[in-house]
Amino acid sequence: GQQVMQIPQYQHVQEGEDFTTYCNSSTTLSNIQWYKQRPGGHPVFLIQLVKSGEVKKQKRLTFQFGEAKKNSSLHITATQTTDVGTYFCAPEGYNEKLTFGTGTRLTIIP
Amino acid sequence: ETGVTQSPTHLIKTRGQQVTLRCSSQSGHNTVSWYQQALGQGPQFIFQYYREEENGRGNFPPRFSGLQFPNYSSELNVNALELDDSALYLCASTWGTGDSPLHFGNGTRLTVT
Repeated sequence: GQQVMQIPQYQHVQEGEDFTTYCNSSTTLSNIQWYKQRPGGHPVFLIQLVKSGEVKKQKRLTFQFGEAKKNSSLHITATQTTDVGTYFCAPEGYNEKLTFGTGTRLTIIP
Repeated sequence: ETGVTQSPTHLIKTRGQQVTLRCSSQSGHNTVSWYQQALGQGPQFIFQYYREEENGRGNFPPRFSGLQFPNYSSELNVNALELDDSALYLCASTWGTGDSPLHFGNGTRLTVT
């Protein structure tokens, strides 16, 4: 079955530094979504990637979908304290339902 | 436009008991998915309801069951509670059964003692 790994599991960065989380799948993905969950909150949709090699930007956030559609990444430039939270990739699973990755927990050192 | 609402927010139950969690979908949405999120983990798909029928199920035992009502609200029922059922239960709504983004509620924190 589909295996989705997200790395790193935890990331501590100084405010102003960049941050990247990677999502890797053992199988080709039809599409992938990214969510952010603040501490004590619920997942909130960020973006959906569908095309091979797709790159989408949202202000300081850059999302990429690999050429082989087996991996994806989220890069945050110049992190701010508001970026704190856990970032999940969520590819469409074998049952055509979203399966969430293990998540990367980002903490910011002011 | 009202968002996804879940009740109760917190619940404490004893092992072996039964629990019912409720979810009202966002207005305009007809599909509800339930996820279980253990502490420090990603949400795990339990099942999805579309037009009052189960439309996909994750790797959860039959003691996890659900319902969807004509107004698209939904219930998650868990029988014979086990300690490992302690988790945040998230409801998410969307339109249709495709790959539309999920809109999550704030969740119900269930503690089984």
